[in-house]
Amino acid sequence: GQNIDQPTEMTATEGAIVQINCTYQTSGFNGLFWYQQHAGEAPTFLSYNVLDGLEEKGRFSSFLSRSKGYSYLLLKELQMKDSASYLCAVMDSNYQLIWGAGTKLIIKP
Amino acid sequence: DADVTQTPRNRITKTGKRIMLECSQTKGHDRMYWYRQDPGLGLRLIYYSFDVKDINKGEISDGYSVSRQAQAKFSLSLESAIPNQTALYFCATSDWGHYNEQFFGPGTRLTVL
Repeated sequence: GQNIDQPTEMTATEGAIVQINCTYQTSGFNGLFWYQQHAGEAPTFLSYNVLDGLEEKGRFSSFLSRSKGYSYLLLKELQMKDSASYLCAVMDSNYQLIWGAGTKLIIKP
Repeated sequence: DADVTQTPRNRITKTGKRIMLECSQTKGHDRMYWYRQDPGLGLRLIYYSFDVKDINKGEISDGYSVSRQAQAKFSLSLESAIPNQTALYFCATSDWGHYNEQFFGPGTRLTVL
């Protein structure tokens, strides 16, 4: 079966750095997405990785290792507005997105 | 104006009632999707459509039906609502040429009593 695993909840301090991990087992691989979702709102796109390595976009970076079935999202200089759920999703061989349950990130002052 | 809109935003209904959730988009995307989201679970795909003449079942299509009335409109129906269909429902669109990134509507919170 297809499976995406990520921690349920993480806590970090304002101004710090946090890494959210995602491991996956899917039927095929056509890219990995990270989305941000504030409570009660729609998910919004953060990043896309299809090749191994690090993609950096401002305070957010995403890393992919296809051989290990592993990705992480790195958030730097945390702000209170970063309190949200972070969803990892993998596009499988049928070009469908398989979603993890999300990691709720709590930022403390 | 929002690119992907959903109506209604909130709905409370009773068991056995027929419910329709509507989705419209102005992004010009061919691909449209319906998901449900439950606490502690990931987004689960109900139905998807790659163009007006193409409708496909997703992971959890039982108890749901859809209609793609036009490129811009994709409706989800619950023929006879039951309490375990209480959830947050999202419509999404994507464009094949842009690595299939999905853009989400604001969601419909449905409660079935």
